[in-house]
Amino acid sequence: DVKVTQSSRYLVKRTGEKVFLECVQDMDHENMFWYRQDPGLGLRLIYFSYDVKMKEKGDIPEGYSVSREKKERFSLILESASTNQTSMYLCASSTRTGGNYGYTFGSGTRLTVV
Amino acid sequence: RKEVEQDPGPFNVPEGATVAFNCTYSNSASQSFFWYRQDCRKEPKLLMSVYSSGNEDGRFTAQLNRASQYISLLIRDSKLSDSATYLCVVRGGGGNKLTFGTGTQLKVEL
Repeated sequence: DVKVTQSSRYLVKRTGEKVFLECVQDMDHENMFWYRQDPGLGLRLIYFSYDVKMKEKGDIPEGYSVSREKKERFSLILESASTNQTSMYLCASSTRTGGNYGYTFGSGTRLTVV
Repeated sequence: RKEVEQDPGPFNVPEGATVAFNCTYSNSASQSFFWYRQDCRKEPKLLMSVYSSGNEDGRFTAQLNRASQYISLLIRDSKLSDSATYLCVVRGGGGNKLTFGTGTQLKVEL
């Protein structure tokens, strides 16, 4: 089974802090994605990566950056956390043609910014 | 207009009932279609892909109507364990990005 592991299940951070959310997958997948999920808004794509050191903006990249130094790891960075970034963050991965087969998600990180 | 639209529900049905969810998508070039299931406070998990010819997996049947840009999911003989949110998911005309609907909540009751 593909495993996508997110480093923290719950996280509480203060406004203005720099926050790192880590995601690791163990199936040699090329594609990795970061989403946030909010009630009534569904899943919204923040950033994605199709290869090492490659990144593309999703639909809501403002206030976020990403890093993909190794194929298995995709990090989401909140440069200066704000209360409107309180959300559930979900990492996903897929094969290069994963759009045909869907994604596998990590268990999510529930981030609260106070 | 949202790319993928679903009725949010909730659908409250008795155990054993048949329930159907619908979804519409706006991009006529969309190529792949899925239903995901998400339990409360958990991650989404792939339930099934949806093919033009329609496909079945046990009690679950998915249908795609490309002309109407419409996807459906039918659940027969509902179980308590089917209670979850069902997400309609579409891959657009290019790349591997998936677009998720906001989900339809199902509650199966005794």
